[in-house]
Amino acid sequence: DTAVSQTPKYLVTQMGNDKSIKCEQNLGHDTMYWYKQDSKKFLKIMFSYNNKELIINETVPNRFSPKSPDKAHLNLHINSLELGDSAVYFCASSQDSPGQGAGVTGELFFGEGSRLTVL
Amino acid sequence: QQPVQSPQAVILREGEDAVINCSSSKALYSVHWYRQKHGEAPVFLMILLKGGEQKGHEKISASFNEKKQQSSLYLTASQLSYSGTYFCGTEVLAQDSWGKLQFGAGTQVVVTP
Repeated sequence: DTAVSQTPKYLVTQMGNDKSIKCEQNLGHDTMYWYKQDSKKFLKIMFSYNNKELIINETVPNRFSPKSPDKAHLNLHINSLELGDSAVYFCASSQDSPGQGAGVTGELFFGEGSRLTVL
Repeated sequence: QQPVQSPQAVILREGEDAVINCSSSKALYSVHWYRQKHGEAPVFLMILLKGGEQKGHEKISASFNEKKQQSSLYLTASQLSYSGTYFCGTEVLAQDSWGKLQFGAGTQVVVTP
């Protein structure tokens, strides 16, 4: 059983379209993340949810909207796709519940990534 | 604020040693190290926490100089399986930074026979 699974693995679409990426973790973790890895390999945090509550929202265009229907799932919807959105999007989960005075003290488990190509 | 890693790339022969460095301009709560092989997800190697606690795989060693806001990962007696891109992630010690694990640009390591 895959601990953190993402679908789809590959996504090729035209500029202006809307697409979604889904993520599920079966580890019983409380916190889930979306990271974007661009062509230069930078891994940038986008969002984080703890028990369905948004706790991190980095400077990301409004076209990106995460949704967490329950603590095991975190989806990412992207509206009006642009060329610059092409990247690999990684979902991750951790046991931690970061907050005031408490950081990430445990391992992040990453999904296999979803490669998005915008033409 | 993303950490700065050096070197950008290193080529080793099997059995050789290497050091990868990670530095931040801000005080850190933790430093995390991950390795990513081509086309795969990053995989956890080690966490070093403010105050000295470390968690990770026994075969990996790293250091964290809290005062200098720097960490180093030591690849000792490298094996072919050590090849990949190594990322350091840092969590800044600041009120608005809890949970924000920011990664550096990565260090590509190639181990040759």
